[in-house]
Amino acid sequence: GIQVEQSPPDLILQEGANSTLRCNFSDSVNNLQWFHQNPWGQLINLFYIPSGTKQNGRLSATTVATERYSLLYISSSQTTDSGVYFCAVESGGTSYGKLTFGQGTILTVHP
Amino acid sequence: NAGVTQTPKFRVLKTGQSMTLLCAQDMNHEYMYWYRQDPGMGLRLIHYSVGEGTTAKGEVPDGYNVSRLKKQNFLLGLESAAPSQTSVYFCASSWVTYEQYFGPGTRLTVT
Repeated sequence: GIQVEQSPPDLILQEGANSTLRCNFSDSVNNLQWFHQNPWGQLINLFYIPSGTKQNGRLSATTVATERYSLLYISSSQTTDSGVYFCAVESGGTSYGKLTFGQGTILTVHP
Repeated sequence: NAGVTQTPKFRVLKTGQSMTLLCAQDMNHEYMYWYRQDPGMGLRLIHYSVGEGTTAKGEVPDGYNVSRLKKQNFLLGLESAAPSQTSVYFCASSWVTYEQYFGPGTRLTVT
C-alpha cells in the first residue's frame, strides 16, 4: 500500500513563530487531507487538498502531486495550535475516501 | 447541528464480551468510516460505507463487523473482544470523498 511519511516528528516553537510541516507519499494520490488533533483528542479537518494551494487564516497548504509531497504552513503560531498534525492520503483509480494516515507531527507551542 | 456523535465515550470490556459502538451524523453525508488509533500511531481504517445498506473492509477489518441500515447511522460491532482491540475508535463521515468530519472518539479497554 501507499506509504506516508511526515516530518519533522516533533516540533517545539515559541508563540509567534512560523513553521512548515511536510508530508511525503510514495504513490500518486486522488485525495489528500490535513488534520489537527488537539490535546483533548478531537480531530479537525484543516484542508482537503489533493493538488494546488489553499489558505485558511494563518494556515495554508500546498500539494505538489507530481512530486508526491504536501506542505502545511502555520504562521504566527499560537498555543492553541499545539497538538498532532496528520496528513492522510488515498491512492488508486477510484476514490472512496479510504485514507491512509501518516504518523503525525507533534507540535508544541510555548507562550 | 451536532455533526458526528459517538456512543459510548468510554467502555471497559472483559475478553470475550461483545459490544456495539454507534456513530450518528446529521449532515446527510453518504460516506461513513470507522478508524482505530493506537498510541503513537496514526489512524487506521477498519471498515467504511459509501451509502445506506453498503459496507466494505478497510485496512484492519479482522475482529469487527459493521452495519449501515440507516444513512445517518454506522454501527461497529465487536463479537468477541480481545486485548489487542484496546484502542480509541473514531467515526467519520464525508460528502462523497471530500473533507472527512470526525466524531469525538470512544476509548475502549479490553481486559
